[in-house]
Order: sequence, then structure tokens, then C-alpha cells
Amino acid sequence: AQRVTQPEKLLSVFKGAPVELKCNYSYSGSPELFWYVQYSRQRLQLLLRHISRESIKGFTADLNKGETSFHLKKPFAQEEDSAMYYCALKKLTGGGNKLTFGTGTQLKVEL
Amino acid sequence: EPEVTQTPSHQVTQMGQEVILRCVPISNHLYFYWYRQILGQKVEFLVSFYNNEISEKSEIFDDQFSVERPDGSNFTLKIRSTKLEDSAMYFCASSDIAGASNEQFFGPGTRLTVL
Repeated sequence: AQRVTQPEKLLSVFKGAPVELKCNYSYSGSPELFWYVQYSRQRLQLLLRHISRESIKGFTADLNKGETSFHLKKPFAQEEDSAMYYCALKKLTGGGNKLTFGTGTQLKVEL
Repeated sequence: EPEVTQTPSHQVTQMGQEVILRCVPISNHLYFYWYRQILGQKVEFLVSFYNNEISEKSEIFDDQFSVERPDGSNFTLKIRSTKLEDSAMYFCASSDIAGASNEQFFGPGTRLTVL
């Protein structure tokens, strides 16, 4: 079974401080990992995916298969980063498109 | 930029009533999904739909639920006889391809309240 764990419900940091949103997963096959973000009163939108190895809005995430983690990081938090962040997993191969989400972490960036 | 749209934004219904939640996926997309989020809980997969049939469904998606693509643009989720525990935010999503790296684009959601 697929499972995604985000241990922090709320993470509060000061502007300019580093951010790390934790995500651990459980899956026996090869997963594809995503981070989705939901800004206040907006829809869920894709932030980044591990396959692309890209940096979006200063955020990066590295898939660590040994630790089964996909933590989201940003060196300097900005006020506009305040949002709900969801880690999600999908099977990489073998068909099926369902996303399995974690419970989400509310990031609050304070001035 | 094309977006997934959903109507209504909020639906209030009495227990036992049927509800239909509507979605208009992005026009060139071929894969459609419904997810739900009960207040305070995680977003959960309900069903995926491709080529006019269900391709995958979760345990939540029992006989009370059905999906349909009645025309070339709409994608609906019907709950036949609503229960209190069906109260949740329902999200529609669509994607243009399957497999690795497909991005699912989400709608704004419909908040369903069952009284």
C-alpha cells in the first residue's frame, strides 16, 4: 500500500529563515513524488516533481530512496510562501495515475 | 491559461438526497479524476476515468458513487443517497497523459454539506 507522511501540521518560520517541510513515504515499488501547494483561497497546484529535478520559486526537493523521504526545502523563506503544502506519491510504472497525498503542512512565514 | 472548473462551489443537501457535482476538465485532456477532502483530513483519491470508463477506483468509491462524461466537456460525480459522512470538499482533476510525470490539474473544488 502507498502511504505519505507529513509529520508537521504547522510550520512557522521567520522571513529569510530556511524552510524544510518533511515528507516520508511508504511504497514497495518505484514511486514518483510531487509537492502540491495551495495558497489561500486558491486551487491545488503542482509545485514540483522529483523527476524534473527543478527548482520552482526557490524550492527544491530531493528524493532519498534510502530514507524514503522527499523533503521540500528553501534557503530563505518569503512572505508569499505562506500556504498549505502537500506531498503526494504516484506509481512510476505499472499504470495507474492515482495520487496518494499526505495530510499537508501549513507553512506560515512571519515578518 | 486553461483551467478546470467545478460547479457549484458549495452544495447543501439533506441526507438521503442525490447530488451531482459537475466539472469541466481542460479541453484537450483525456484523463479525469475525483478526489475528496474531509475537513481536517488528507486529500483522498476516489476514481479515475479514461476512454469513457473507470480505470481505477478506491474503496471509498462504492455503489453510491458514479461518474459520467455525458458530453464532450462535462465530467460528473453522482452520489445516489448522501450520508452525513459524505460532507467534504470534492476536487476534480484532469491530465493530458498517463504514466510518469503527468501533471494533474485541479479544479477549485465543491464543498458538499450533508445535513
